Amino acid sequence: AQSVTQLDSHVSVSEGTPVLLRCNYSSSYSPSLFWYVQHPNKGLQLLLKYTSAATLVKGINGFEAEFKKSETSFHLTKPSAHMSDAAEYFCVVNSGYSTLTFGKGTMLLVSP
Amino acid sequence: DGGITQSPKYLFRKEGQNVTLSCEQNLNHDAMYWYRQDPGQGLRLIYYSQIVNDFQKGDIAEGYSVSREKKESFPLTVTSAQKNPTAFYLCATQPTPSSYNEQFFGPGTRLTVL
Repeated sequence: AQSVTQLDSHVSVSEGTPVLLRCNYSSSYSPSLFWYVQHPNKGLQLLLKYTSAATLVKGINGFEAEFKKSETSFHLTKPSAHMSDAAEYFCVVNSGYSTLTFGKGTMLLVSP
Repeated sequence: DGGITQSPKYLFRKEGQNVTLSCEQNLNHDAMYWYRQDPGQGLRLIYYSQIVNDFQKGDIAEGYSVSREKKESFPLTVTSAQKNPTAFYLCATQPTPSSYNEQFFGPGTRLTVL
């Protein structure tokens, strides 16, 4: 079985401050992990993915995530938030099944 | 212009009517997926297809039907049996159905039942 828990439904930051979006997963096998971003009324866009290579994964728009097997975590970070980062973020796991399991999402709010 | 097309962007339906949502792709991807998104619920899988003329039920298939007659197309029909069909529907594709491959998403269709 596989599952994903996004620990915060909403995160608020000021422009220029660091971003941390937390994700924990449960998996019976070595997982592939993904972070997607969704702007209002749009489809999902891939930010980055982990597939058992380097544990620190760099993605688009300055985001990165670190796979920590001992903590079963895959938190998403960015050193400095931009207004354009305001969106909903989804952590996703695939443990070798045919399908993905999505977290419930974290809404990132960025204030000037 | 390559990608995934979903039409229409907004769709209104009266209760008791069936409605079909379109998903077309020109990426030559083998696998296609339909998800339903409700606020605070994440994405839930309705149906998926890994090969033409074959498809499987996802977690919430009741009240929905699909077909996969062509590699490029995977239409979703929302039937009158679906009790609460108002939602945002997303179609996705995957090059091959592998756990290492990400899925690519279309722009979505917002269905409202009046």
